[in-house]
Amino acid sequence: AQSVTQPDIHITVSEGASLELRCNYSYGATPYLFWYVQSPGQGLQLLLKYFSGDTLVQGIKGFEAEFKRSQSSFNLRKPSVHWSDAAEYFCAVGVYNTDKLIFGTGTRLQVFP
Amino acid sequence: EAQVTQNPRYLITVTGKKLTVTCSQNMNHEYMSWYRQDPGLGLRQIYYSMNVEVTDKGDVPEGYKVSRKEKRNFPLILESPSPNQTSLYFCASTRSSTGANTEAFFGQGTRLTVV
Repeated sequence: AQSVTQPDIHITVSEGASLELRCNYSYGATPYLFWYVQSPGQGLQLLLKYFSGDTLVQGIKGFEAEFKRSQSSFNLRKPSVHWSDAAEYFCAVGVYNTDKLIFGTGTRLQVFP
Repeated sequence: EAQVTQNPRYLITVTGKKLTVTCSQNMNHEYMSWYRQDPGLGLRQIYYSMNVEVTDKGDVPEGYKVSRKEKRNFPLILESPSPNQTSLYFCASTRSSTGANTEAFFGQGTRLTVV
């Protein structure tokens, strides 16, 4: 069955520190992968997506993610976190031939000054 | 501006009182869906629609109804709400259902409390 696992429920980092949020997926074919961010009281905004090609994808707000097929992972990274990055982050896999998204349970990021 | 608009943003209601949450998109998207977000569970799909008059169940459809009479609108109907439907609801739209999985646009969310 298709699924997405985000092992870290809550992560706290200091402003300026690097960040990596983990995402593992289970899918029978080449996945379509997404990272979304949800700021407090807001909807979901797409940070980046992977469909095919280069396994390192760049997104908005200085985020990047790397697709590793051998590890079934799609981890999100940022070299230097800003206080405004505090939010909840969701990894999702797109189900082929539909537009359905299967989401992970989310990782809440807290940033300390 | 491309957007998905949900109303209301916040709603408190009593058990059994029918309610409708509206969703409208201005991007001429074919595919629309409803998700609910619960702590520790992420977002789960309730219903989706691939085009006008074409709807189908998602993963958690019990207690919900939808309709798609116009391309731009996709209301979520709770005929007899119960406390376990207290949740944060999101409407989303995507350009097409070709499997290309282009970006999904989400509304701002509707926080529903059923007492």
